[in-house]
Amino acid sequence: SQQGEEDPQALSIQEGENATMNCSYKTSINNLQWYRQNSGRGLVHLILIRSNEREKHSGRLRVTLDTSKKSSSLLITASRAADTASYFCATDETSGSRLTFGEGTQLTVNP
Amino acid sequence: KAGVTQTPRYLIKTRGQQVTLSCSPISGHRSVSWYQQTPGQGLQFLFEYFSETQRNKGNFPGRFSGRQFSNSRSEMNVSTLELGDSALYLCASSLYTGTDTQYFGPGTRLTVL
Repeated sequence: SQQGEEDPQALSIQEGENATMNCSYKTSINNLQWYRQNSGRGLVHLILIRSNEREKHSGRLRVTLDTSKKSSSLLITASRAADTASYFCATDETSGSRLTFGEGTQLTVNP
Repeated sequence: KAGVTQTPRYLIKTRGQQVTLSCSPISGHRSVSWYQQTPGQGLQFLFEYFSETQRNKGNFPGRFSGRQFSNSRSEMNVSTLELGDSALYLCASSLYTGTDTQYFGPGTRLTVL
């Protein structure tokens, strides 16, 4: 079963705009990870945020985590056409021993 | 370091056949996890291997099995293929556990006719 639910399911923006994707989950976690997948390819790890962290940056990526609301957001600033991909959150549940992936957000950045 | 490799990249089989997929992890990585990705079900965890032992298993029927060799390479096998087994099968490796940062291979696209 899916632990994370991403919102929106699909997002279409223009190059240069910011893109925000949200992930909600149901149980306590050790960490939350974001991955990116280009069409039909393997996933690429973007960033990991631990349960005791509230915000993390990596280049044009900014991730926030609110454990009280059991939610996370991924912000991509100054988007580029090359950012077009599906983005997945994955949670490491405290009661589990595997990553559970959400259903993903399909981001399209129009040139 | 070379990335995770999966072979074959594409496979077409018919119902009732069996298939074996192979995964070579990043050198030094000891944990290998397998996932099935379909449009309807998303990414579903199949199993994780560490030091030649299955450490975790997802909710899949016994037709799905796997193994890991002493060099950490892993194979998964699906017997008695069904149409619903058509999917992208992804292998991921990590240093120690299935919850560490996962490094994914390009996947094997299996089509069952």
